[in-house]
Amino acid sequence: NAGVMQNPRHLVRRRGQEARLRCSPMKGHSHVYWYRQLPEEGLKFMVYLQKENIIDESGMPKERFSAEFPKEGPSILRIQQVVRGDSAAYFCASSPRRIPNYGYTFGSGTRLTVV
Amino acid sequence: DAKTTQPNSMESNEEEPVHLPCNHSTISGTDYIHWYRQLPSQGPEYVIHGLTSNVNNRMASLAIAEDRKSSTLILHRATLRDAAVYYCILRALMDTGRRALTFGSGTRLQVQP
Repeated sequence: NAGVMQNPRHLVRRRGQEARLRCSPMKGHSHVYWYRQLPEEGLKFMVYLQKENIIDESGMPKERFSAEFPKEGPSILRIQQVVRGDSAAYFCASSPRRIPNYGYTFGSGTRLTVV
Repeated sequence: DAKTTQPNSMESNEEEPVHLPCNHSTISGTDYIHWYRQLPSQGPEYVIHGLTSNVNNRMASLAIAEDRKSSTLILHRATLRDAAVYYCILRALMDTGRRALTFGSGTRLQVQP
């Protein structure tokens, strides 16, 4: 039973390019959460999605960032026109349900470097 | 959300027990206490959670104070592989599920050989 798969593990983009980060949740998990971790800082929540729906995007920057979790396929976090400040580790987590006494399973992250 | 307070860092020696404290004086009666850890260059990993009673699993034990205003994560025999940042997080039972876990700054545990 594969865990949460994120790819790519490392992504380098020039300023102004687009970055697309993929997250395949664990089998049977329909809830996906994206977090961002800046160097030497804690994890910051970005967005929570359930299949085909955005449940909570309160942590998403208002511009350039978008996320989706289609009926088929992985969840995608998309960053348009990247800037140096977007350089960070982006983690995805999944869970099978919303109930609060259940742990999340995290992926190993995508490390985005903007040059 | 109720707030948790943890020491910034702790040190331990290999093969000795480690007690990682967490204060949550504003916890409500229906908040679950979760612990996660993040090893270097990896995503967070679920460790344990509890509500009122002490909990044990293969990774650790969770001791919850009688008034629930504090808890302690116990690693019975620290190994070098336990060096990580440990996060104590509260999750409300009445959470409709619209809120994700909120991570604080955690405790950075260093394990000396």
